[in-house]
Amino acid sequence: GQNIDQPTEMTATEGAIVQINCTYQTSGFNGLFWYQQHAGEAPTFLSYNVLDGLEEKGRFSSFLSRSKGYSYLLLKELQMKDSASYLCAALDSNYQLIWGAGTKLIIKP
Amino acid sequence: ETGVTQTPRHLVMGMTNKKSLKCEQHLGHNAMYWYKQSAKKPLELMFVYNFKEQTENNSVPSRFSPECPNSSHLFLHLHTLQPEDSALYLCASSQDKGGGADTQYFGPGTRLTVL
Repeated sequence: GQNIDQPTEMTATEGAIVQINCTYQTSGFNGLFWYQQHAGEAPTFLSYNVLDGLEEKGRFSSFLSRSKGYSYLLLKELQMKDSASYLCAALDSNYQLIWGAGTKLIIKP
Repeated sequence: ETGVTQTPRHLVMGMTNKKSLKCEQHLGHNAMYWYKQSAKKPLELMFVYNFKEQTENNSVPSRFSPECPNSSHLFLHLHTLQPEDSALYLCASSQDKGGGADTQYFGPGTRLTVL
């Protein structure tokens, strides 16, 4: 079956760096998405990776290893507003998104 | 503001009621989606429309009935729901369905409670 695994919850300190991991098992692969979702709000797009390597966008970076079925989202210089759930989703061979349950990130002062 | 709006934001209904959820996208996209989001579970894809044609129905019970009158509007008609249907219902749109970078843009959702 198809599956996405990511930690349920993580805690980090303001100003620090945190890495949220995601492993996927899908029938074929056409890329991996990360979304941010604040409580009670819509998920918003953060990144899309289809090739191996690291893509940086300001304080956020996303990494992909297709051979390992693994991705991570790296958040630097954490701010209180980064407290949210982070959703990992892989696009399978039918271009259907397979979603993880999300990682709730708690930022402490 | 993502360009996708949903109404109502909150809905409480009894099991015998009939109600409808509405979604509108102002992005000029061709594909629209309904998702169900329950606490601590992955997003569950319910329906997909591409150019107003339904392309996916993921074994959703018939008490949920989608309608897509045009590429900008999507409805979810609800009738005789069960308490386990209580969840956040999210609408999303993307430029196309099937593209490699088919980024979906989400509305704020309707928080549904079935009594």
